[in-house]
Amino acid sequence: NAGVTQTPKFQVLKTGQSMTLQCAQDMNHNSMYWYRQDPGMGLRLIYYSASEGTTDKGEVPNGYNVSRLNKREFSLRLESAAPSQTSVYFCASSFLGTGGYEQYFGPGTRLTVT
Amino acid sequence: GENVEQHPSTLSVQEGDSAVIKCTYSDSASNYFPWYKQELGKRPQLIIDIRSNVGEKKDQRIAVTLNKTAKHFSLHITETQPEDSAVYFCAASRGGETDSWGKLQFGAGTQVVVTP
Repeated sequence: NAGVTQTPKFQVLKTGQSMTLQCAQDMNHNSMYWYRQDPGMGLRLIYYSASEGTTDKGEVPNGYNVSRLNKREFSLRLESAAPSQTSVYFCASSFLGTGGYEQYFGPGTRLTVT
Repeated sequence: GENVEQHPSTLSVQEGDSAVIKCTYSDSASNYFPWYKQELGKRPQLIIDIRSNVGEKKDQRIAVTLNKTAKHFSLHITETQPEDSAVYFCAASRGGETDSWGKLQFGAGTQVVVTP
C-alpha cells in the first residue's frame, strides 16, 4: 500500500497563477483533509471531506477550493496564488467514526509564491 | 471552536533524561487526544493517542496523561535518545461525532532537541 500520496512535491508559482494539488489514498478511508503548515503555527485545517460527496471549510479556507473526486482522491486548488499562501501543504486521511481515528499524512507539497 | 495551547515551544534535554510536553484545550466535549511526531522534512506521524475514558496510556518509553477536569494532557518521554529529536504536536478532537467529523485542532508544536 502506498498510503497517502501527494503531487507535486515542490512548486514555485508567481502571484496570480493557479494550480491544483493532488492527493490520493489507498486505505479505503472515508475522510480526507487538507492542512497547511507554517513555522510556529502548527497544522491548520484548510478544508475537509467527511465522506465522498461532502466537503466543508476548516480554519483557514480563504483563497482555496477543494474537490472530492471519489473516495480515493481529494484535490486542493489555488485560483489566484498570493505570497501569503507560501507554505507546506499536507493531505491526510482517516476512517470516520465516534471515538476518533488516526489521521495518516501524505509527504507534503512545499509551495512558494513569489 | 476548539483551541489547543502547547508548551514549551522548545525543549532541550540531555540524552537519558525525561521530556514533558503539556497541552491545554478549551472544548469540554473533546474526547480524542493524539500526539504526532514530525522529523525534519518529513510528514507528521502518530506516536500515541488517548481517549477521554482513559487517564493514562503507555507505550514503551512514551506515556500520555489526561486530566479532563482541568482540560489538559501531557506527553512524557523517558530515557530520551537522539532519535527522539523532532517536533511534537498535540491535538484534540470530538472524535468523529457528526458535528466535528473527526477534525483535529493542533497545538503549535514543541521542538525537542536531545543532546548526547
